[in-house]
Amino acid sequence: GAVVSQHPSWVICKSGTSVKIECRSLDFQATTMFWYRQFPKQSLMLMATSNEGSKATYEQGVEKDKFLINHASLTLSTLTVTSAHPEDSSFYICSARVGGGNYEQYFGPGTRLTVT
Amino acid sequence: EDQVTQSPEALRLQEGESSSLNCSYTVSGLRGLFWYRQDPGKGPEFLFTLYSAGEEKEKERLKATLTKKESFLHITAPKPEDSATYLCATNYGQNFVFGPGTRLSVLP
Repeated sequence: GAVVSQHPSWVICKSGTSVKIECRSLDFQATTMFWYRQFPKQSLMLMATSNEGSKATYEQGVEKDKFLINHASLTLSTLTVTSAHPEDSSFYICSARVGGGNYEQYFGPGTRLTVT
Repeated sequence: EDQVTQSPEALRLQEGESSSLNCSYTVSGLRGLFWYRQDPGKGPEFLFTLYSAGEEKEKERLKATLTKKESFLHITAPKPEDSATYLCATNYGQNFVFGPGTRLSVLP
């Protein structure tokens, strides 16, 4: 149980283009989903928190117009990196939480984004 | 400020050599201490949740314990496949505060 998938697992795009990453909770409904970014040999950095049907809450320093988050259903959240630049190259990981007093987060396998 | 620290930063063990990883936290209103394992290029894999001081949980060669200020992840007779980065996290509000992780290498 508590499986989270991400698609794609890796993507290469050209500078200036947009990339969409999907995060799905496969066997549970997630009241809240989170998006993280991780640089090599560093811990996870929270980018934003999204609740189904609501606008995402972005962490300080994260550009909400660049990183568009949509949480359209209890099992799907998407992160769109708009007008990507090489400095956006990173490992993006989503997580999902059941809620209702259960604070455990279950993570997807991550998406490696390379912007050329 | 809510903080989570982990020590050591890196640990090399021989196969079978037991040890412990430390996670110290300064979070008010703790609602869970979480341990994850992360392999290179993958998302974190959930291991344990601890909610109150004195609580212990075990899974195979791993045992997690919790006090009011810190948590330990004990690894008994580790195997090479236990090599990974171990992350602890606490929650504040809805979100997690992650520690920097301990990179564990178990040599055959």
